[in-house]
Amino acid sequence: DAGITQSPRHKVTETGTPVTLRCHQTENHRYMYWYRQDPGHGLRLIHYSYGVKDTDKGEVSDGYSVSRSKTEDFLLTLESATSSQTSVYFCAISDPDRSSYNEQFFGPGTRLTVL
Amino acid sequence: KQEVTQIPAALSVPEGENLVLNCSFTDSAIYNLQWFRQDPGKGLTSLLLIQSSQREQTSGRLNASLDKSSGRSTLYIAASQPGDSATYLCAAEYGNKLVFGAGTILRVKS
Repeated sequence: DAGITQSPRHKVTETGTPVTLRCHQTENHRYMYWYRQDPGHGLRLIHYSYGVKDTDKGEVSDGYSVSRSKTEDFLLTLESATSSQTSVYFCAISDPDRSSYNEQFFGPGTRLTVL
Repeated sequence: KQEVTQIPAALSVPEGENLVLNCSFTDSAIYNLQWFRQDPGKGLTSLLLIQSSQREQTSGRLNASLDKSSGRSTLYIAASQPGDSATYLCAAEYGNKLVFGAGTILRVKS
């Protein structure tokens, strides 16, 4: 497995509270991504980063913010969690500079429940 | 809008059968097409990646094909085994972003 860890692995929180999820990689890959997975929707891109302090929005970015102050860490923050953000969150990494294709590798996921 | 569709949504087959999973995408300007496997409660494992210039890739009992002009990819699994039971996801890459299908849930009965 690619060296990707996510923390926490499970979290239960209440509506209106802030939540931060962490993705940590040991592969020195330039790109990092956050996805959410919901029944019937597959995975959908929330935000991604193409370098330290360089981030961009994905398909479902409303209600989420991200930060990347170091190559190895990518944080996803829900400023005020809502029940619609109950989901499984996956982090992924890739590095198109290393090969002719941009294969993504995924972390184990974080299950978030917002009550 | 770039969309990816997988058919069927679920499939149950007896052990030993050959099977085909289908993936279609609306925007043919893909960079790559990636197939993943996901076990219940687990992350995604990459199975095969087909670059846009390629027609197919093979790994063991798995063969994936890509037809950009028709917007289709297929994953062929030969001699299926109970251990192949999982959800199979395809994803089309557009400029470093993956667009996923909803997946096919496969059950192989012994």
